[in-house]
Amino acid sequence: NAGVTQTPKFRILKIGQSMTLQCTQDMNHNYMYWYRQDPGMGLKLIYYSVGAGITDKGEVPNGYNVSRSTTEDFPLRLELAAPSQTSVYFCASSYSRGGLGGFGPGTRLTVL
Amino acid sequence: DQQVKQNSPSLSVQEGRISILNCDYTNSMFDYFLWYKKYPAEGPTFLISISSIKDKNEDGRFTVFLNKSAKHLSLHIVPSQPGDSAVYFCAASVSGANNLFFGTGTRLTVIP
Repeated sequence: NAGVTQTPKFRILKIGQSMTLQCTQDMNHNYMYWYRQDPGMGLKLIYYSVGAGITDKGEVPNGYNVSRSTTEDFPLRLELAAPSQTSVYFCASSYSRGGLGGFGPGTRLTVL
Repeated sequence: DQQVKQNSPSLSVQEGRISILNCDYTNSMFDYFLWYKKYPAEGPTFLISISSIKDKNEDGRFTVFLNKSAKHLSLHIVPSQPGDSAVYFCAASVSGANNLFFGTGTRLTVIP
């Protein structure tokens, strides 16, 4: 099992650009999550999904969108990148609520 | 508003000695607590958890203690090994909720 994989590992965006962060898990987990970690801070939940076709907002959803068309994939979309979105983004999956499963290795995003 | 706090950003311990990492929380509704370990350029990995119905949970060298009246938990690692050097995050949740609230992390360095 590859677990949770994320692409890309690094990305630099200009203000106003858009991009999609990819997340795939091969553990057949229903629950998937996107967290962001700002320097010196804890992880904060952006969006989560409890199954294909079902998504909901977390603590810091503004500026992001998600979709969940399959069990395996949970992409995170940034429509108009802003410097405040400079962060490390982690995707996670779990067989139950709360993110007890695995985290991906993260995507380090810089918006200039 | 940081609901989960780790007030020590770093800790250094000699190999073989005990490492004690501390975590405080403010939300009395939290009833499930987790510790994650994170190496550089990797996602967090689950280490150990505890439910609020217990005050201690042990798994090998790792023990988590929960003091509900003080809203405090701690992770004990005995004996500490150089491979334990990592950033440790405390997280908390409310049963039935999808969000984990993370602390800011403590960087543990185990000196050989």
